[in-house]
Amino acid sequence: DAGVIQSPRHEVTEMGQEVTLRCKLISGHNSLFWYRQTMMRGLELLIYFNNNVPIDDSGMPEDRFSAKMPNASFSTLKIQPSEPRDSAVYFCASSPLSGNTIYFGEGSWLTVV
Amino acid sequence: GENVEQHPSTLSVQEGDSAVIKCTYSDSASNYFPWYKQELGKGPQLIIDIRSNVGEKKDQRIAVTLNKTAKHFSLHITETQPEDSAVYFCAASKGGGAQKLVFGQGTRLTINP
Repeated sequence: DAGVIQSPRHEVTEMGQEVTLRCKLISGHNSLFWYRQTMMRGLELLIYFNNNVPIDDSGMPEDRFSAKMPNASFSTLKIQPSEPRDSAVYFCASSPLSGNTIYFGEGSWLTVV
Repeated sequence: GENVEQHPSTLSVQEGDSAVIKCTYSDSASNYFPWYKQELGKGPQLIIDIRSNVGEKKDQRIAVTLNKTAKHFSLHITETQPEDSAVYFCAASKGGGAQKLVFGQGTRLTINP
């Protein structure tokens, strides 16, 4: 089975531009997580969904960040406008609703200059 | 909320020796404790996990122990090999399902040949 698929793998963008990160869940999984990883703050949970419904978005840094699940297998994380401090690796992860194990994608490496 | 502390931040051991990484957690309601291994340029991958009704779990060269009273858990790697070099993360969560996995800060393990 394919794992969690993220795109793009690498993105370099200018400050002020809109960034959209994409994620495809593992087939049959119902929970979707967006994490951000930086040297300073480690792995931070930004938001998670169960059955397409956002459950906890308390980790979303500010209004410039938004996440959606338009269907059961796909999610986007959007940053508008982007800032240099948003530079990080953004991980998407999924899990069965009834299980604890979370499976991570390979990450999207974002650099905002 | 839950807070997970991980030590040490870096660890260097000779090939063949054992490595131990320790974590403490703050929320006594946490009941699921996974360990992830992250190789350079990749997403974290689950290597072993333990639930609060178990004190120890072993899988070949890796083992995890849990002390609920003291609220700490540890990862033990025996007979270390160069391919064990990576960043290791502990995490904790509570409740049913994959909810709000809170990560430790990570330990960079280097195995010296």
